Amino acid sequence: QVQLVQSGAEVKKPGASVKVSCKASGYTFTSYYMHWVRQAPGQGLEWMGIINPSGGSTSYAQKFQGRVTMTRDTSTSTVYMELSSLRSEDTAVYYCARDSGDIVVVVAATYYFDYWGQGTLVTVSS
Amino acid sequence: EIVLTQSPGTLSLSPGERATLSCRASQSVSSSYLAWYQQKPGQAPRLLIYGASSRATGIPDRFSGSGSGTDFTLTISRLEPEDFAVYYCQQYGSSPRLTFGGGTKVEIK
Repeated sequence: QVQLVQSGAEVKKPGASVKVSCKASGYTFTSYYMHWVRQAPGQGLEWMGIINPSGGSTSYAQKFQGRVTMTRDTSTSTVYMELSSLRSEDTAVYYCARDSGDIVVVVAATYYFDYWGQGTLVTVSS
Repeated sequence: EIVLTQSPGTLSLSPGERATLSCRASQSVSSSYLAWYQQKPGQAPRLLIYGASSRATGIPDRFSGSGSGTDFTLTISRLEPEDFAVYYCQQYGSSPRLTFGGGTKVEIK
């Protein structure tokens, strides 16, 4: 069965960086794009960006351009999201979410999500 | 950027009742590229509906989606105890600028 298992909670100081991992299993890792979505406490969902696990290409939401970096390690079927210059407003649960489209079939990402990780709480506090 | 407005903010209903949730877009959503998700406290969202009206794998048929253009609806025909949750709509027609609505909470009356 498809599983996305994320790394544990983090506490960071303002100005620091955080790197969250998401290990995929139960499917062909390179066949599905992966997205990152965050949710501030008591708030809605916010899309951050997408990575193609096959070639490593990325596209980021304009809001996060210059602060976010998404990478992948095909040897471990893991994607990473690093967010730098953290501020208190970045306190949120960060989710990885698999794109619903099989790249072999649909080629392009569908931009909606069929499986989600359990979430990683990142707290930014001095 | 397409802004999605969900209403009502909170819906108070009893088990067995029908729930009707609205999602209105600030401009037309191309090709009905609209999805609905359910989220329970402390859990990740779960995909319910994509393409405005197609149920995701394993989703009970009491969940249905409809609409096109700027007005979309999620209907739960008869609420089960496990359906009390927050529901989000998401448009992906203007990807990569996808956006989510603010959510509708369905609570037990």
